[in-house]
Amino acid sequence: DAGVTQSPTHLIKTRGQQVTLRCSPKSGHDTVSWYQQALGQGPQFIFQYYEEEERQRGNFPDRFSGHQFPNYSSELNVNALLLGDSALYLCASSLKTYEQYFGPGTRLTVT
Amino acid sequence: LAKTTQPISMDSYEGQEVNITCSHNNIATNDYITWYQQFPSQGPRFIIQGYKTKVTNEVASLFIPADRKSSTLSLPRVSLSDTAVYYCLVGDNDYKLSFGAGTTVTVRA
Repeated sequence: DAGVTQSPTHLIKTRGQQVTLRCSPKSGHDTVSWYQQALGQGPQFIFQYYEEEERQRGNFPDRFSGHQFPNYSSELNVNALLLGDSALYLCASSLKTYEQYFGPGTRLTVT
Repeated sequence: LAKTTQPISMDSYEGQEVNITCSHNNIATNDYITWYQQFPSQGPRFIIQGYKTKVTNEVASLFIPADRKSSTLSLPRVSLSDTAVYYCLVGDNDYKLSFGAGTTVTVRA
């Protein structure tokens, strides 16, 4: 049984560009959450998708958007990249809200 | 969301028991206490969750006093592979997890 998978593993972008990160949830899970983790800090909640709709959102600007597909996979899009967007982006899936299963993350570097 | 306070770092040796205490003075009636573990370059992993008294699983124990203003994660007989960051989270099992800075536990041989 595959766990949560994310792609790509690493990504380098330039300021002002746009990026799309992808996530496949653990088999049987229908809810996907996205987190941003800056170096040396804990993960920060971006938003969560359930039934292809954004259910809740953290304190992130509209440059951060997402999508969930009928097969429960999800994408995170970030527009107009800033240097401060450099971070590890984590995807987590769940069936019961309190126990979330995290993927290995995508390391985004903005230069 | 209740704010949590936990030590920045702790050192231990293989075979010892490690206890990490988390303070959450403003915990609400419907809040649960959850702990996650994170290794470098990996996503966090759920360890344990409790509401009151004591919870134990194959990995750890969680002790919660009657006033619920603090909790202690206990890792029995740690090994080098237990070196990680441990996060204490308090919330009502709402949709989002709120992580603090966590406690870096270093286990030495």
